[in-house]
Amino acid sequence: AMQMTQSPSSLSASVGDRVTITCRASRDIGSAVGWFQQKPGNAPKNLIFSASNLQSGVPSRFSGGGSGTDFTLTISSLQPEDFATYFCLQDANYPRSFGPGTKVEIK
Amino acid sequence: EVQLVESGGDLVQPGGSLRLSCAATGFSLRSFWMSWVRQAPGKGLEWVANTNRDGSDNNYVDSVRGRFTISRDNVNNLLYLQMDSLRVEDTAVYYCVSSGYQGNWHYWGQGTLVTVSS
Repeated sequence: AMQMTQSPSSLSASVGDRVTITCRASRDIGSAVGWFQQKPGNAPKNLIFSASNLQSGVPSRFSGGGSGTDFTLTISSLQPEDFATYFCLQDANYPRSFGPGTKVEIK
Repeated sequence: EVQLVESGGDLVQPGGSLRLSCAATGFSLRSFWMSWVRQAPGKGLEWVANTNRDGSDNNYVDSVRGRFTISRDNVNNLLYLQMDSLRVEDTAVYYCVSSGYQGNWHYWGQGTLVTVSS
């Protein structure tokens, strides 16, 4: 089955920092990647689809990039409400699979 | 307002059955592929199953294939997950989600908790 690895597993950052999270697929999946933010006790929220398309209502400080096997989620200027766990999803092959998550914590 | 509301989660013994429901309001369920995603306590997200717009194409993760059945009622805007032969490792919050093209999984329910324990 397709594996999605994600790094780092956690990071500490300050408000205003630029943060980049990476996901790597075990084989070429084109642009079939989504990114999600999840806060404790809440359902995930879709931030990015098709690797680089911003979901409606999501702030422009979030951006996605990459294609093939390597993908990134970047937060250009971290805000207090961005402290959360982030997951990538590969939507190309069965079984669909999520990365293990990156927890973004306050430094 | 677009909303997905899951129900049916409960405490059940190993080997038991449950049926989860997901009711959609504010949009037509028939417009979307739909998925069930679960999250065990303190763990990450796991895709469980999906179904195409008319329910003729269903897919499952290996660990639930043959035990779980996804279905939909587009007339009444409902999605279901029939869960049989439940195992302790099926314990999780189960979410229904609209699973659009290339990770466009925009609409999520609030989740329903399934606990499998003796």
